[in-house]
Amino acid sequence: DSGVTQTPKHLITATGQRVTLRCSPRSGDLSVYWYQQSLDQGLQFLIQYYNGEERAKGNILERFSAQQFPDLHSELNLSSLELGDSALYFCASSVAWVGPDTQYFGPGTRLTVL
Amino acid sequence: AQSVTQLGSHVSVSEGALVLLRCNYSSSVPPYLFWYVQYPNQGLQLLLKYTTGATLVKGINGFEAEFKKSETSFHLTKPSAHMSDAAEYFCAVSDHYSGGSNYKLTFGKGTLLTVNP
Repeated sequence: DSGVTQTPKHLITATGQRVTLRCSPRSGDLSVYWYQQSLDQGLQFLIQYYNGEERAKGNILERFSAQQFPDLHSELNLSSLELGDSALYFCASSVAWVGPDTQYFGPGTRLTVL
Repeated sequence: AQSVTQLGSHVSVSEGALVLLRCNYSSSVPPYLFWYVQYPNQGLQLLLKYTTGATLVKGINGFEAEFKKSETSFHLTKPSAHMSDAAEYFCAVSDHYSGGSNYKLTFGKGTLLTVNP
């Protein structure tokens, strides 16, 4: 158990819908990262937050957004969902935004878009 | 841009045999390098990481990796495979800049390790 929690574990929805994925980092970790794992693209970095502020953006679509709240939990919002958004979404946390801190991964949320 | 290449999407070994998973990277600056393992239906778990200093890095579960700058490689090895080692293994690189803030991981495509009895 990494100490990073993600809810829900599974999510099934329809095209065009909007979903929110939630992540709680390890106690004491200030930095949260979101990754997408799909068969086509592999594991790809989406976005990073540190202590409530966005720090880095990767291959995140404009239909996707995220935020980190004062209690440090983070939410990834996916809207206007398409079939191709079906994937495993991982959250990872680390102590700080300066490396090389280990990133600890949550168990993931499996999103299925029908 | 950084990239990671894992040679062999699937490696099969016998129990007790040497495990060798290959990873090559490209980076414009000396990188931080990581190996993660993913068991079925689970998240990623760090096996080991290289930052600076000793180029031979020991990790959990008997795995080790050697950073070879001249070959831009960071291959993962284990002398004797166990059935419990069957999983997917990901090599990753993280860049770092003085005063920078982007420590995102760039992952390879992964290598699925099968251990035969």
